[in-house]
Amino acid sequence: EIVMTQSPATLSVSPGERATLSCRASQSAGTNLAWYKQKPGQAPRLLIYGASTRATGIPARFSGSGSGTEFTLTISSLQSEDFAVYYCQQYNYWPPLTFGGGTKVEVK
Amino acid sequence: EVQLLESGGGLVQPGGSLRLSCAASEFTFSNYAMSWVRQAPGKGLEWVSAIGGSGDGTYYADSVKGRFTISRDNSKNTLYVQMSSLRAEDTAVYYCAKLGRTSWYFDLWGRGTLVTVSS
Repeated sequence: EIVMTQSPATLSVSPGERATLSCRASQSAGTNLAWYKQKPGQAPRLLIYGASTRATGIPARFSGSGSGTEFTLTISSLQSEDFAVYYCQQYNYWPPLTFGGGTKVEVK
Repeated sequence: EVQLLESGGGLVQPGGSLRLSCAASEFTFSNYAMSWVRQAPGKGLEWVSAIGGSGDGTYYADSVKGRFTISRDNSKNTLYVQMSSLRAEDTAVYYCAKLGRTSWYFDLWGRGTLVTVSS
């Protein structure tokens, strides 16, 4: 099983600032890595797949990078709607499909 | 509108059974693998099970293997999971999710249905 570890657990950022979220895989996930955003009381929403491809309708301020075991999600200029919990997920080696524990992006 | 709508959640006693359903609309259901993902209260996401587009190939997390059975009826555009021998640790919101055409990320999610296992 590939274990996904996200850091930090909580990130405090001011609106308009840049946020950088990290996701590490216990073994190579290639570029088979997705990112999701979840707001309280809502279902997750796909942001990025293939480590760097934005899903349909996702603003350009969201970007993904990395391969192998190290991945990054960057939000270039945080908007109010971006304060949420973000999860990474690998689909390179499964079952099981595995998620990271999440990073909560909160208002500083 | 492309959407997934779960139903069937509720309160069940430990050791009991429950069947969840997920109705899909506005996409060619049989073309896509489907999955269940759960989220315990205040916790992160946990993949539960998945099934291929034609029903060929079923996959389970170790935590539910032997207790949960995933299935689908492509004539009804509906995904199911039969849950038995339920435990308190199965308490969660259960999301139905559509998998990508060629890769297993989740590109569409339902709103979820809450399952509570308690006496």
